[in-house]
Amino acid sequence: ILNVEQSPQSLHVQEGDSTNFTCSFPSSNFYALHWYRWETAKSPEALFVMTLNGDEKKKGRISATLNTKEGYSYLYIKGSQPEDSATYLCALNQAGTALIFGKGTTLSVSS
Amino acid sequence: DGGITQSPKYLFRKEGQNVTLSCEQNLNHDAMYWYRQDPGQGLRLIYYSQIVNDFQKGDIAEGYSVSREKKESFPLTVTSAQKNPTAFYLCASSSRTGMNTGELFFGEGSRLTVL
Repeated sequence: ILNVEQSPQSLHVQEGDSTNFTCSFPSSNFYALHWYRWETAKSPEALFVMTLNGDEKKKGRISATLNTKEGYSYLYIKGSQPEDSATYLCALNQAGTALIFGKGTTLSVSS
Repeated sequence: DGGITQSPKYLFRKEGQNVTLSCEQNLNHDAMYWYRQDPGQGLRLIYYSQIVNDFQKGDIAEGYSVSREKKESFPLTVTSAQKNPTAFYLCASSSRTGMNTGELFFGEGSRLTVL
């Protein structure tokens, strides 16, 4: 079973801080890298699906980058707000397989 | 509204009983998935289906069974052979199949507790 690693496991920031998390994955047979946000008592929701090396995607204050050659992706949150508190999951799509998820990074933002 | 509906939300069962979790989608998606979450673990794939009447085992299929008789429905049965069934179960669907797994849409999950 291949491993998708996320770090840190959890972090706590103050409102207004910027933060970032890492997702590491095996680079062989890469097809796509997904990021999801999972708020408490809700369903996980897709943030980004990234396929190209060097890709950078942005949605509001959240952005993500992708390096398929070295096998990592960063998720950045600029100016964190309490509503950003959630678990952020990354998931790897290798060619011909279903998604494999990391354990997630749980972000807590206090006001 | 389009989406995925899982039921029941909470379920308690005695050890040795089979349990079926329902998952219905009205998104017209071809692919459907079942994941399991345990504390401190990532989502682990149990079974997935890319088309009606076909499904494949995921990483932790032992003790589970599924069926895909209709496009909209992908029920999961947790059998008495599953050694540690207490967990949170998530169903998901995707419009794409094959090499490119499209964005997943998730249900709200079912929490199964075996007493």
